This record gives sequence, structure tokens and C-alpha cells, in this order.
Amino acid sequence: AQSVTQLDSQVPVFEEAPVELRCNYSSSVSVYLFWYVQYPNQGLQLLLKYLSGSTLVKGINGFEAEFNKSQTSFHLRKPSVHISDTAEYFCAVSVVWRDDKIIFGKGTRLHILP
Amino acid sequence: DGGITQSPKYLFRKEGQNVTLSCEQNLNHDAMYWYRQDPGQGLRLIYYSQIVNDFQKGDIAEGYSVSREKKESFPLTVTSAQKNPTAFYLCASTPGQGLTISGNTIYFGEGSWLTVV
Repeated sequence: AQSVTQLDSQVPVFEEAPVELRCNYSSSVSVYLFWYVQYPNQGLQLLLKYLSGSTLVKGINGFEAEFNKSQTSFHLRKPSVHISDTAEYFCAVSVVWRDDKIIFGKGTRLHILP
Repeated sequence: DGGITQSPKYLFRKEGQNVTLSCEQNLNHDAMYWYRQDPGQGLRLIYYSQIVNDFQKGDIAEGYSVSREKKESFPLTVTSAQKNPTAFYLCASTPGQGLTISGNTIYFGEGSWLTVV
């Protein structure tokens, strides 16, 4: 079975500092990987996804993530955060050519400190 | 603008009552999903439907029911059998061919808060 682990439930970061949100997955077959963001009291929206090809994926709002197959990781990074990045971030995985479900991690809440 | 509309945004349920959450999409997506979100738990799949008149149970279907009579609509009923229904409920959809065939993006509604009183 597949699983997703987000290693930090909360991450405090000073404004304009860099941030990394960690995500590890477990799967014996090929997967697609996603990062979604949820602003307070709203639904989720896609930040970026890895399907194939280049392991460095760039998304919206200056975020990027790197797929590392050997370490089964898909960490999300931003070089300089802004107060508007305050949100909860979810890593997710779906198995290629398997039943049509996606598995979400438990989320990481990003707190931007002034 | 195309999107997913959930209603109501806030709903209160008395013990023993059934309530229905509405979800409508005008994105012409084939697949639709219902997720439940609890603090610190992430998203858990309740039901999903890939085509009209067909749906499958997710990981936590007990105490819930759905219907898919129209492509654009996927209402969720929270029955009295659901013992702990207080949560944030998210409806979502994806284009044809589903998630795992082409890595489609999931599009979410704004969510509905359900509270038992």
C-alpha cells in the first residue's frame, strides 16, 4: 500500500527567510506526486505536481519541489517566504494506472513570523 | 468562471437527523469526490464517482451516502448512523480519464462546515 508522511505538522519561519516542507512517500510502483495549498477556511489548490521528466518542478507563487526517487522524497521549497504564504500545505501521491484515488499527507501548517 | 460550488457553507445538525451537502461543478469533469477533513488528520476519502450513475466507497464511507444522477452534481448525505459528523467537508472533481491514468489535477470546492448540536 502507498503512504505519504509529512514530517512536520507545523513550521514557523521568519518573513523573507527560506523554507523547506518535507514529504516522504512509500510505494513499490510508479507514482505521481503533488503539493496542494489550503488557505484558511477554503478548499485546496494545486501548487505543483511531478508526473515524469525533470525532477525539479516549479509551481505557482515561487514554490518548487524536487523528486528524489532514491530517498522517496518530494520536498517543497521557497527561497523567500511572504506573510501571504501562511497556509496549510499537503503532499499527495497517486499510483500510476491504479484505482483512481489520491492519498494525502496530514498537512504542514506554515506560520510566517514578522 | 468555471468551478465547484458547495452549499451550504455552514450547517448545523441535530442528533438523529440526516443532512445533505450539495456539490455542483460546471467544469464538465467526469470524476467527483467527497473528502472529510479533521484537524491534524489530513483529507480522508468518503466516496468517489467516475461516471454518472456509478460511485465507489472510499476509506470512510460508513454513515454517508451519495448519488450521481447528473454529471455536474454529486450530493453527500450525512446520515444519523455517522456518529461523529462534525468536520469540514470538501467536494472535488477531475477531468476525464481520472487521476491515475494521466496525473490529473484535483479541483476543490470551498468546503462546508458541519457541526452537530
